[in-house]
Amino acid sequence: GESVGLHLPTLSVQEGDNSIINCAYSNSASDYFIWYKQESGKGPQFIIDIRSNMDKRQGQRVTVLLNKTVKHLSLQIAATQPGDSAVYFCAENKGGKLIFGQGTELSVKP
Amino acid sequence: EAGVAQSPRYKIIEKRQSVAFWCNPISGHATLYWYQQILGQGPKLLIQFQNNGVVDDSQLPKDRFSAERLKGVDSTLKIQPAKLEDSAVYLCASSLIAGVTDTQYFGPGTRLTVL
Repeated sequence: GESVGLHLPTLSVQEGDNSIINCAYSNSASDYFIWYKQESGKGPQFIIDIRSNMDKRQGQRVTVLLNKTVKHLSLQIAATQPGDSAVYFCAENKGGKLIFGQGTELSVKP
Repeated sequence: EAGVAQSPRYKIIEKRQSVAFWCNPISGHATLYWYQQILGQGPKLLIQFQNNGVVDDSQLPKDRFSAERLKGVDSTLKIQPAKLEDSAVYLCASSLIAGVTDTQYFGPGTRLTVL
């Protein structure tokens, strides 16, 4: 079965607010995780990744946090914009094979 | 840099018919993947190629699905005969190699509807 899952299927935020999307995983041996963004009618697009030897990694307006104790990771988007509206997936990379969760749909209200 | 190309973008067929999808990966990418994404779910790996060899096809329903990458560049995925439950988006992805941290780049997908 799948080893990654997401807490909420949908998330609605006001434009300019920060967004937090959560993901839980079950395999404590997992050592590499990726966040993908998928807009309607498009393929998933790489956002940011993190290895298990890190707790936090920052990109442009995005931060991924990894809590290995509770097997949880989150994606934080600062100053959310309408263009951030999409489905967000966390994925676990097992030896080059991606295992995706079900996704969270982020809606940004103007 | 051109991305992963897929065609057709949409396909509607009746059950028991056959269908084929085509993928051209990013130039120089040795590894190619086919995923199936059912509505409301994350993509699921069907098959992985390294150059023209199959690395992983454990999730491919081999009684009806087949894939090839004869020259180690572009690839085709075929379904014969199609079932209603095959309705999904079929995504192709490629990566430079197949390392754990190697980024996979996805194409736009082919949306298949089986009636």
